[in-house]
Amino acid sequence: ILNVEQSPQSLHVQEGDSTNFTCSFPSSNFYALHWYRWETAKSPEALFVMTLNGDEKKKGRISATLNTKEGYSYLYIKGSQPEDSATYLCAFLPYNNAGNMLTFGGGTRLMVKP
Amino acid sequence: NAGVTQTPKFRVLKTGQSMTLLCAQDMNHEYMYWYRQDPGMGLRLIHYSVGEGTTAKGEVPDGYNVSRLKKQNFLLGLESAAPSQTSVYFCASSFRGLVPAPQYFGPGTRLLVL
Repeated sequence: ILNVEQSPQSLHVQEGDSTNFTCSFPSSNFYALHWYRWETAKSPEALFVMTLNGDEKKKGRISATLNTKEGYSYLYIKGSQPEDSATYLCAFLPYNNAGNMLTFGGGTRLMVKP
Repeated sequence: NAGVTQTPKFRVLKTGQSMTLLCAQDMNHEYMYWYRQDPGMGLRLIHYSVGEGTTAKGEVPDGYNVSRLKKQNFLLGLESAAPSQTSVYFCASSFRGLVPAPQYFGPGTRLLVL
Protein backbone atom coordinates (compact mmCIF):
# COMPACT_ATOMS: atom_id res chain seq x y z
CA ILE A 1 0.00 0.00 0.00
CA LEU A 2 1.43 3.35 -1.07
CA ASN A 3 1.55 6.14 1.49
CA VAL A 4 0.10 9.41 0.24
CA GLU A 5 -0.48 12.01 2.93
CA GLN A 6 -1.97 15.46 2.85
CA SER A 7 -1.68 18.21 5.40
CA PRO A 8 -3.40 19.88 6.99
CA GLN A 9 -6.60 17.83 7.10
CA SER A 10 -8.66 21.01 7.24
CA LEU A 11 -8.08 24.71 6.97
CA HIS A 12 -10.21 27.76 7.71
CA VAL A 13 -9.19 31.03 6.06
CA GLN A 14 -10.73 34.44 5.52
CA GLU A 15 -11.74 35.65 2.09
CA GLY A 16 -8.72 37.25 0.45
CA ASP A 17 -6.14 35.18 2.33
CA SER A 18 -3.64 33.18 0.36
CA THR A 19 -3.10 29.62 1.47
CA ASN A 20 -1.20 26.49 0.64
CA PHE A 21 -1.22 22.83 1.54
CA THR A 22 0.99 19.82 1.08
CA CYS A 23 0.87 16.39 -0.50
CA SER A 24 3.59 13.86 0.39
CA PHE A 25 4.14 10.76 -1.70
CA PRO A 26 6.80 8.07 -2.29
CA SER A 27 9.87 9.55 -3.94
CA SER A 28 10.75 6.34 -5.73
CA ASN A 29 9.07 4.96 -8.83
CA PHE A 30 7.31 8.27 -9.54
CA TYR A 31 5.26 8.71 -12.71
CA ALA A 32 2.65 11.38 -12.03
CA LEU A 33 0.92 13.38 -9.34
CA HIS A 34 -2.71 14.46 -9.75
CA TRP A 35 -4.61 17.22 -7.97
CA TYR A 36 -8.41 17.20 -7.77
CA ARG A 37 -10.94 19.67 -6.41
CA TRP A 38 -13.98 18.17 -4.72
CA GLU A 39 -16.90 20.39 -3.81
CA THR A 40 -19.48 19.17 -1.32
CA ALA A 41 -22.27 17.12 -2.93
CA LYS A 42 -20.39 17.01 -6.23
CA SER A 43 -17.73 14.71 -7.68
CA PRO A 44 -13.97 15.29 -7.84
CA GLU A 45 -12.73 17.35 -10.78
CA ALA A 46 -9.18 17.29 -12.06
CA LEU A 47 -7.07 20.39 -11.52
CA PHE A 48 -3.61 19.30 -12.58
CA VAL A 49 -1.62 16.29 -13.69
CA MET A 50 2.07 16.82 -12.98
CA THR A 51 4.87 14.64 -14.26
CA LEU A 52 8.19 16.51 -14.22
CA ASN A 53 10.34 17.38 -11.22
CA GLY A 54 10.24 21.14 -10.72
CA ASP A 55 7.02 21.41 -12.73
CA GLU A 56 4.66 24.25 -11.90
CA LYS A 57 1.06 24.36 -13.09
CA LYS A 58 -1.39 27.24 -12.83
CA LYS A 59 -5.14 27.59 -13.28
CA GLY A 60 -6.47 31.01 -12.41
CA ARG A 61 -5.63 31.69 -8.77
CA ILE A 62 -4.60 28.09 -8.10
CA SER A 63 -1.10 26.83 -8.73
CA ALA A 64 0.89 23.73 -7.84
CA THR A 65 4.54 22.80 -7.64
CA LEU A 66 6.19 19.40 -7.71
CA ASN A 67 9.35 17.97 -6.13
CA THR A 68 9.69 14.31 -7.12
CA LYS A 69 13.13 13.86 -5.55
CA GLU A 70 11.87 14.59 -2.05
CA GLY A 71 8.32 13.42 -2.68
CA TYR A 72 6.08 16.43 -2.14
CA SER A 73 3.79 18.80 -3.98
CA TYR A 74 2.32 22.10 -2.84
CA LEU A 75 -1.01 23.54 -3.89
CA TYR A 76 -1.36 27.32 -3.55
CA ILE A 77 -4.50 29.42 -3.69
CA LYS A 78 -3.98 33.15 -4.03
CA GLY A 79 -6.64 35.46 -2.62
CA SER A 80 -9.06 32.73 -1.50
CA GLN A 81 -12.72 33.20 -2.33
CA PRO A 82 -15.76 31.46 -0.75
CA GLU A 83 -16.21 29.48 -3.97
CA ASP A 84 -12.78 27.93 -3.37
CA SER A 85 -14.25 26.06 -0.41
CA ALA A 86 -13.81 22.40 -1.23
CA THR A 87 -11.72 19.35 -0.44
CA TYR A 88 -8.49 19.20 -2.41
CA LEU A 89 -7.19 15.73 -3.16
CA CYS A 90 -3.83 14.65 -4.44
CA ALA A 91 -3.23 11.24 -6.01
CA PHE A 92 0.01 9.42 -6.77
CA LEU A 93 0.61 7.34 -9.90
CA PRO A 94 3.68 5.08 -9.82
CA TYR A 95 5.63 4.08 -12.89
CA ASN A 96 4.66 0.91 -14.75
CA ASN A 97 1.19 0.91 -13.27
CA ALA A 98 -1.27 -1.05 -15.39
CA GLY A 99 -4.50 0.83 -15.67
CA ASN A 100 -3.21 4.14 -14.28
CA MET A 101 -4.38 3.23 -10.78
CA LEU A 102 -4.18 6.21 -8.47
CA THR A 103 -3.55 6.18 -4.73
CA PHE A 104 -5.36 9.13 -3.18
CA GLY A 105 -4.41 11.11 -0.13
CA GLY A 106 -7.01 11.85 2.53
CA GLY A 107 -7.56 15.37 1.26
CA THR A 108 -7.36 18.87 2.68
CA ARG A 109 -10.72 20.46 3.40
CA LEU A 110 -10.60 24.21 2.79
CA MET A 111 -13.28 26.52 4.14
CA VAL A 112 -13.15 30.19 3.11
CA LYS A 113 -15.16 32.58 5.25
CA PRO A 114 -16.63 35.65 3.54
CA ASN B 1 -21.72 14.78 -23.76
CA ALA B 2 -23.04 13.41 -20.47
CA GLY B 3 -19.54 12.42 -19.28
CA VAL B 4 -19.72 9.77 -16.56
CA THR B 5 -23.16 8.84 -15.25
CA GLN B 6 -24.12 6.51 -12.41
CA THR B 7 -27.34 4.69 -11.66
CA PRO B 8 -28.95 4.77 -9.13
CA LYS B 9 -28.16 7.92 -7.17
CA PHE B 10 -29.31 6.50 -3.86
CA ARG B 11 -30.33 3.07 -2.62
CA VAL B 12 -31.26 1.43 0.66
CA LEU B 13 -30.65 -2.30 1.00
CA LYS B 14 -31.22 -4.83 3.71
CA THR B 15 -28.35 -7.05 4.81
CA GLY B 16 -28.02 -9.97 2.44
CA GLN B 17 -29.73 -8.33 -0.52
CA SER B 18 -27.94 -7.95 -3.82
CA MET B 19 -27.75 -5.07 -6.24
CA THR B 20 -25.84 -3.76 -9.24
CA LEU B 21 -24.53 -0.25 -9.69
CA LEU B 22 -24.21 0.92 -13.27
CA CYS B 23 -21.58 3.30 -14.57
CA ALA B 24 -21.66 4.62 -18.12
CA GLN B 25 -19.27 6.94 -19.94
CA ASP B 26 -19.57 8.48 -23.39
CA MET B 27 -15.97 9.67 -23.78
CA ASN B 28 -14.65 6.45 -25.34
CA HIS B 29 -12.26 5.99 -22.41
CA GLU B 30 -10.40 2.72 -22.10
CA TYR B 31 -9.93 2.75 -18.34
CA MET B 32 -12.73 2.64 -15.81
CA TYR B 33 -12.69 2.49 -12.00
CA TRP B 34 -14.94 1.95 -9.01
CA TYR B 35 -14.10 3.71 -5.72
CA ARG B 36 -15.75 3.90 -2.36
CA GLN B 37 -15.56 6.95 -0.17
CA ASP B 38 -15.90 6.68 3.58
CA PRO B 39 -15.43 9.38 6.22
CA GLY B 40 -11.79 9.67 7.22
CA MET B 41 -10.72 7.09 4.62
CA GLY B 42 -10.60 9.08 1.40
CA LEU B 43 -11.19 7.41 -1.95
CA ARG B 44 -10.29 3.72 -2.09
CA LEU B 45 -10.18 1.71 -5.31
CA ILE B 46 -12.44 -1.34 -5.38
CA HIS B 47 -11.95 -2.70 -8.92
CA TYR B 48 -10.79 -1.32 -12.21
CA SER B 49 -10.79 -2.19 -15.90
CA VAL B 50 -8.24 -1.46 -18.60
CA GLY B 51 -10.57 -2.38 -21.44
CA GLU B 52 -13.67 -4.21 -22.56
CA GLY B 53 -13.80 -7.70 -21.12
CA THR B 54 -11.00 -7.17 -18.57
CA THR B 55 -11.22 -6.35 -14.89
CA ALA B 56 -8.82 -6.39 -11.96
CA LYS B 57 -8.89 -5.97 -8.19
CA GLY B 58 -8.06 -2.76 -6.47
CA GLU B 59 -7.31 -2.03 -2.83
CA VAL B 60 -10.63 -3.15 -1.30
CA PRO B 61 -12.26 -5.73 -3.63
CA ASP B 62 -13.79 -8.14 -1.08
CA GLY B 63 -17.57 -8.42 -1.29
CA TYR B 64 -17.77 -6.87 -4.76
CA ASN B 65 -17.74 -8.14 -8.32
CA VAL B 66 -17.49 -6.21 -11.56
CA SER B 67 -18.06 -6.70 -15.24
CA ARG B 68 -17.19 -4.71 -18.35
CA LEU B 69 -19.04 -6.31 -21.24
CA LYS B 70 -19.16 -3.07 -23.21
CA LYS B 71 -16.47 -0.41 -23.37
CA GLN B 72 -18.80 2.32 -22.17
CA ASN B 73 -20.26 0.45 -19.18
CA PHE B 74 -18.73 -0.77 -15.93
CA LEU B 75 -20.98 -2.61 -13.49
CA LEU B 76 -20.34 -3.06 -9.77
CA GLY B 77 -22.20 -5.88 -8.04
CA LEU B 78 -22.85 -6.60 -4.41
CA GLU B 79 -23.94 -10.22 -4.09
CA SER B 80 -24.84 -10.14 -0.39
CA ALA B 81 -24.79 -6.63 1.03
CA ALA B 82 -23.36 -6.00 4.49
CA PRO B 83 -23.63 -2.89 6.70
CA SER B 84 -19.87 -2.36 6.18
CA GLN B 85 -20.66 -1.65 2.53
CA THR B 86 -22.61 1.47 3.45
CA SER B 87 -20.69 4.10 1.56
CA VAL B 88 -20.68 6.51 -1.35
CA TYR B 89 -19.54 4.82 -4.54
CA PHE B 90 -17.86 6.75 -7.32
CA CYS B 91 -17.15 5.57 -10.81
CA ALA B 92 -14.42 7.17 -12.88
CA SER B 93 -12.92 6.80 -16.33
CA SER B 94 -9.78 7.94 -18.05
CA PHE B 95 -8.12 7.98 -21.41
CA ARG B 96 -5.19 5.66 -22.15
CA GLY B 97 -2.34 7.59 -23.66
CA LEU B 98 1.38 8.27 -23.56
CA VAL B 99 0.87 11.02 -20.97
CA PRO B 100 -0.97 10.25 -17.71
CA ALA B 101 -4.55 11.40 -18.10
CA PRO B 102 -6.87 12.74 -15.40
CA GLN B 103 -9.77 10.66 -14.21
CA TYR B 104 -13.32 11.87 -14.78
CA PHE B 105 -15.74 11.06 -12.00
CA GLY B 106 -19.44 10.30 -11.95
CA PRO B 107 -21.82 11.97 -9.49
CA GLY B 108 -21.72 9.10 -7.00
CA THR B 109 -24.18 6.54 -5.62
CA ARG B 110 -25.06 6.71 -1.96
CA LEU B 111 -25.73 3.22 -0.58
CA LEU B 112 -27.16 2.47 2.85
CA VAL B 113 -27.19 -1.13 4.04
CA LEU B 114 -29.39 -1.77 7.04
